[in-house]
Amino acid sequence: KQEVTQIPAALSVPEGENLVLNCSFTDSAIYNLQWFRQDPGKGLTSLLLIQSSQREQTSGRLNASLDKSSGRSTLYIAASQPGDSATYLCAVPNSGNTPLVFGKGTRLSVIA
Amino acid sequence: GAVVSQHPSRVICKSGTSVKIECRSLDFQATTMFWYRQFPKQSLMLMATSNEGSKATYEQGVEKDKFLINHASLTLSTLTVTSAHPEDSSFYICSATGEAFNYGYTFGSGTRLTVV
Repeated sequence: KQEVTQIPAALSVPEGENLVLNCSFTDSAIYNLQWFRQDPGKGLTSLLLIQSSQREQTSGRLNASLDKSSGRSTLYIAASQPGDSATYLCAVPNSGNTPLVFGKGTRLSVIA
Repeated sequence: GAVVSQHPSRVICKSGTSVKIECRSLDFQATTMFWYRQFPKQSLMLMATSNEGSKATYEQGVEKDKFLINHASLTLSTLTVTSAHPEDSSFYICSATGEAFNYGYTFGSGTRLTVV
């Protein structure tokens, strides 16, 4: 059974810092991996989708890497801003249309 | 691309009534849709998986007669909470996936249900 773990559970940093969020999964036979952010009382916003054949994806200040063999992904946020404050979730499906397995998330606070 | 619209965003209903929540994929064909509920400060909990034209698959512990799911087309799924009770008050979120976006998952903005 796939399990996804995210470290740290919470993180507080001053504005401008670069930071790394970690995600690990137990079954390396994943179809893809997706990073989301969730603001309080809101739905999930997709940040980056990495297919199993890819090693990284970038979008603006965000960069996500994937190492399938070791069961790890990292989300790198450059030059953090207060608007980045949210809960970040890592999730994997086991195949193309199966339910996502989520980590418990990292709650990020960026202090101005 | 990959937009999922969920309505209503908030609903308040009386105990014993039914509430329908709609989830639409606006720019892609969603072969599979998922329904979640989320309690404050907790993780998303999968309720059911629905494939277009098929009966939904419910997770263990989720009452299928209480939470009716219909996925009649490739762009619309509905969740009906029947005979709602205060304990059904929660945040409900839908998600959709399809081949067009390499099976990335797109989420709706959620529905805050309050049963009084």
